[in-house]
Amino acid sequence: DIVMTQSPNSLGLSLGERATINCKSSQSIFDTSTNENHLTWYQKKPGQPPKVLIYWASTRESGVPDRFRGSGSGTDFTLTISSLQAEDVAVYYCQQSYSSPLTFGGGTKVEIK
Amino acid sequence: QVHLQQSGPGLVKPSQTLSLTCAISGDSVSANYVTWDWVRQSPSGGLEWLGRAYYRSRWYSDYAESVKSRIIINPDTSKNQFSLLLSSVTPEDTAVYFCARSYGWRSDYWGQGTLVTVSS
Repeated sequence: DIVMTQSPNSLGLSLGERATINCKSSQSIFDTSTNENHLTWYQKKPGQPPKVLIYWASTRESGVPDRFRGSGSGTDFTLTISSLQAEDVAVYYCQQSYSSPLTFGGGTKVEIK
Repeated sequence: QVHLQQSGPGLVKPSQTLSLTCAISGDSVSANYVTWDWVRQSPSGGLEWLGRAYYRSRWYSDYAESVKSRIIINPDTSKNQFSLLLSSVTPEDTAVYFCARSYGWRSDYWGQGTLVTVSS
């Protein structure tokens, strides 16, 4: 199985600050047949299902604010929130869909300091 | 617009079988461009992908190693839904269970979630 490791476990920032969340896969999740990294970022709030923010490592889902940006390739990926808003308080998960079983990272909790 | 509606009991006794159903509207369980997945979130908070079923000229399924010996995900084409069966449950299977549609390698539509507690 591909292991997804996220860091940090939690992040306390002020409104307007930049949040950076890292995700590392135990092997490359770059698909040479599609030229895409099979890495998705989800936002999870209490009482709600997960919501897709970014897929293929850097493609923003329709309707997601442009302060959310995904980057990286191969085994190392980053989710950046350029200017933290109150509504961004949530737990963020990366997931690989390169090979079965699909696996999630452990999550990063983002809070307002 | 795709909508997934989950149903099933919120309380299951240890050693019994957990059974949840996800009814699909706005898409077909037999569509050959999507997969139909189950994911759970334990009380400790992490998300765990459990497995999926999908149709590519015939039906396929694959499962997480942690539950592989106990899980079946069944499509039901007559009702346009899919179900999760998890046998021999223990308190460690207590979690919120979600069904989801996956398209383009991401889960873009989700059910509302069902809290299942395993307790006698």
